[in-house]
Amino acid sequence: DAKTTQPTSMDCAEGRAANLPCNHSTISGNEYVYWYRQIHSQGPQYIIHGLKNNETNEMASLIITEDRKSSTLILPHATLRDTAVYYCTLGSGNTGKLIFGQGTTLQVKP
Amino acid sequence: KAGVTQTPRYLIKTRGQQVTLSCSPISGHRSVSWYQQTPGQGLQFLFEYFSETQRNKGNFPGRFSGRQFSNSRSEMNVSTLELGDSALYLCASSLGTGAIREQYFGPGTRLTVT
Repeated sequence: DAKTTQPTSMDCAEGRAANLPCNHSTISGNEYVYWYRQIHSQGPQYIIHGLKNNETNEMASLIITEDRKSSTLILPHATLRDTAVYYCTLGSGNTGKLIFGQGTTLQVKP
Repeated sequence: KAGVTQTPRYLIKTRGQQVTLSCSPISGHRSVSWYQQTPGQGLQFLFEYFSETQRNKGNFPGRFSGRQFSNSRSEMNVSTLELGDSALYLCASSLGTGAIREQYFGPGTRLTVT
């Protein structure tokens, strides 16, 4: 299974953009990149996903490099409620199996 | 619509015992996946059930098993519990067909083995 690598922790000032990087250099051609976040040991919450094109929704933007070996999740205006562990995961897109990395703990500070 | 529910939320068992955890997916979802979360290993995929059949399996010993019923509800069973099985067990549901977008996770069952 392909693996993801993320920084252990990051800080971001409230109101600023948070840019969370993820390395997935062994990603397969049919694997999607999914981002989830987990707050206070609740169940993870879906944020966004993509295959090769950049994606944007009401929560975030996902930038995937042309070679698909890395991606960046962008939270455009971070709030204190965005403090969480963010997981970059890989999935085939047609099954429920997700391979989670260790995640990045994002601390949004006032 | 109602989210994914898991029962029980907390459980304490003794080594050697067995345990059954339950997951009710979102109405209309046919895929249920199970994950184990521990501080040391993080989130690890256990297995996925779709239309009562196991579709994927993670790298866990045979003591971990599961099943899915015709109403898509799923159970997982752990036999001969070990101290290392103490974890948060999460289930996630999705439609299961076509291109899978988001999966919806339940709140988890926290299992403590003493």
